[in-house]
Amino acid sequence: NAGVTQTPKFQVLKTGQSMTLQCAQDMNHEYMSWYRQDPGMGLRLIHYSVGAGITDQGEVPNGYNVSRSTTEDFPLRLLSAAPSQTSVYFCASSYTPPGEGVSPLHFGNGTRLTVT
Amino acid sequence: AQSVTQPDIHITVSEGASLELRCNYSYGATPYLFWYVQSPGQGLQLLLKYFSGDTLVQGIKGFEAEFKRSQSSFNLRKPSVHWSDAAEYFCAVGRSGGGADGLTFGKGTHLIIQP
Repeated sequence: NAGVTQTPKFQVLKTGQSMTLQCAQDMNHEYMSWYRQDPGMGLRLIHYSVGAGITDQGEVPNGYNVSRSTTEDFPLRLLSAAPSQTSVYFCASSYTPPGEGVSPLHFGNGTRLTVT
Repeated sequence: AQSVTQPDIHITVSEGASLELRCNYSYGATPYLFWYVQSPGQGLQLLLKYFSGDTLVQGIKGFEAEFKRSQSSFNLRKPSVHWSDAAEYFCAVGRSGGGADGLTFGKGTHLIIQP
């Protein structure tokens, strides 16, 4: 059971480049989300999804796009990378709404992104 | 909107000593409260959670937390820490009906274990 898998683990981009961070889960979870983690800022929600075909914005959505064509996959797209997007990105999934905690949030191991 | 405050950015504890990490929350109704741990280079793992009932909850790895409504607190404790407990700890608050955006994390406390 792989859980939540994120690729790549590390990425360096130049300002203005675009890329997609991949996230896949094999637990048949409906709820998936993307967080960014910055020093002293904790985790902040970028985008989330409550099921295939349904996505919505979180706290810090600007500069990012998501789609959810299948239950398993939830890619995060950076349209035009900026140095302010240098961060560690975490994908997470859960069977029930994460705020209610009936089932725990399962996190991937993160993608460390540097934008120069 | 709900919010979480973790007053201590760093805490240093000697191995074998007791530990208490502080967490204060702001939420109008009875909150759902969580503690997560993040080991270096890893994602977050759930330590324990509080929904209702007994205000002292037990978690994995020997951790416990106590919900105190009067103080809006949910402090994490461990009687005797081990070097492997060195990690980042996050308190989080959730809300009923909050959906996927219904979980708010604190900024984290970095725990350092001295030999």
